[in-house]
Amino acid sequence: DAGVTQSPTHLIKTRGQQVTLRCSPKSGHDTVSWYQQALGQGPQFIFQYYEEEERQRGNFPDRFSGHQFPNYSSELNVNALLLGDSALYLCASSRFRDGQETQYFGPGTRLLVL
Amino acid sequence: DAKTTQPPSMDCAEGRAANLPCNHSTISGNEYVYWYRQIHSQGPQYIIHGLKNNETNEMASLIITEDRKSSTLILPHATLRDTAVYYCIVRVTDAGANSKLTFGKGITLSVRP
Repeated sequence: DAGVTQSPTHLIKTRGQQVTLRCSPKSGHDTVSWYQQALGQGPQFIFQYYEEEERQRGNFPDRFSGHQFPNYSSELNVNALLLGDSALYLCASSRFRDGQETQYFGPGTRLLVL
Repeated sequence: DAKTTQPPSMDCAEGRAANLPCNHSTISGNEYVYWYRQIHSQGPQYIIHGLKNNETNEMASLIITEDRKSSTLILPHATLRDTAVYYCIVRVTDAGANSKLTFGKGITLSVRP
């Protein structure tokens, strides 16, 4: 049973460019959450997708957008990249069951903006 | 979500038990205590969670005080591979609105040979 997978593992972009990161959830999971982790900090919640809709959003600008596909996989898009967007981007998948939900994380995509 | 307080770091000897404390004095009745750990540059790994009873799994034990204002994660026989940042998080798990994880700075556990 594959866990959460993310692609690519590493990415280098320049300021002003756009980037798309991808996430495949753990088998049986239908909810995908995205987090940004700057160097030396804990992960910060970006948004969560369920049934192809954004269900909850953290304090991130509209440059950050996402999408969930019918197979529950998800993409994170960041437009007009800034140097400060350099971070580890983490995807977590989950499924609500019996009133509980545990998020399982992928290995992350490390983005460097030059 | 309630805030948690963890000491910034601790160490323990390999083979000994590691007891990682967490304070969550403002926890609400419907909030669970979750523990994750993150080994350098990897994604966070789920360890264990609980509501009010003590919990044990193959990785660790979670001891929650009767008033639920604090908890302790116990790694019974720490190994060098347990060196990581450990995050204590309190959260509700209702479907949808408040299911985000709010990470603090965590506690850095260093296991020494």
